[in-house]
Amino acid sequence: DAKTTQPPSMDCAEGRAANLPCNHSTISGNEYVYWYRQIHSQGPQYIIHGLKNNETNEMASLIITEDRKSSTLILPHATLRDTAVYYCIVRVRGYGGSQGNLIFGKGTKLSVKP
Amino acid sequence: EADIYQTPRYLVIGTGKKITLECSQTMGHDKMYWYQQDPGMELHLIHYSYGVNSTEKGDLSSESTVSRIRTEHFPLTLESARPSHTSQYLCASSEWTVDVTEAFFGQGTRLTVV
Repeated sequence: DAKTTQPPSMDCAEGRAANLPCNHSTISGNEYVYWYRQIHSQGPQYIIHGLKNNETNEMASLIITEDRKSSTLILPHATLRDTAVYYCIVRVRGYGGSQGNLIFGKGTKLSVKP
Repeated sequence: EADIYQTPRYLVIGTGKKITLECSQTMGHDKMYWYQQDPGMELHLIHYSYGVNSTEKGDLSSESTVSRIRTEHFPLTLESARPSHTSQYLCASSEWTVDVTEAFFGQGTRLTVV
């Protein structure tokens, strides 16, 4: 699976948009970009995923660059409850061997401040 | 809300004891995972399973063992606990398909070996 690079930490003011970047310059054509978050060492929670098109759901938007080498997770109106570690993961499409396993990096610690 | 449960949530146990961490899911997922996470560190995949009678080692070597006798149940066992096993253990499950799907995590078991 391709490796990802994320900033170790970011701050965001409550009510403002939080934009979390992720670099995955070695991504291949059959690899998805996934975002999860982990609050207070609870079990990680799925946020969103995409292949090459931008995606939006009730939690967030995912913007993937045209060359697929980087992406940005957008939380449109961050709240204090969005304070968490956010993980960007590249995951192979497929189900043989270790394909489909989620391999976590260090993530970005997002602190939403009042 | 995810239907995946881990017990116990917290466990303090003496060195040399045998322990089993329980993980059950009611979603009918074929694929299940165990992760280990030290405080402030990333999650490491230690075991996964494709279904009944299937178990595989993950990316991080672990002295623990797992079994999958029933689809819904994926217990993790340490035959002789040591202080180095002190960590949080997180269980997860997902569908097993070609197109990657969301993984659901339990709340974790915090293990302390004294």
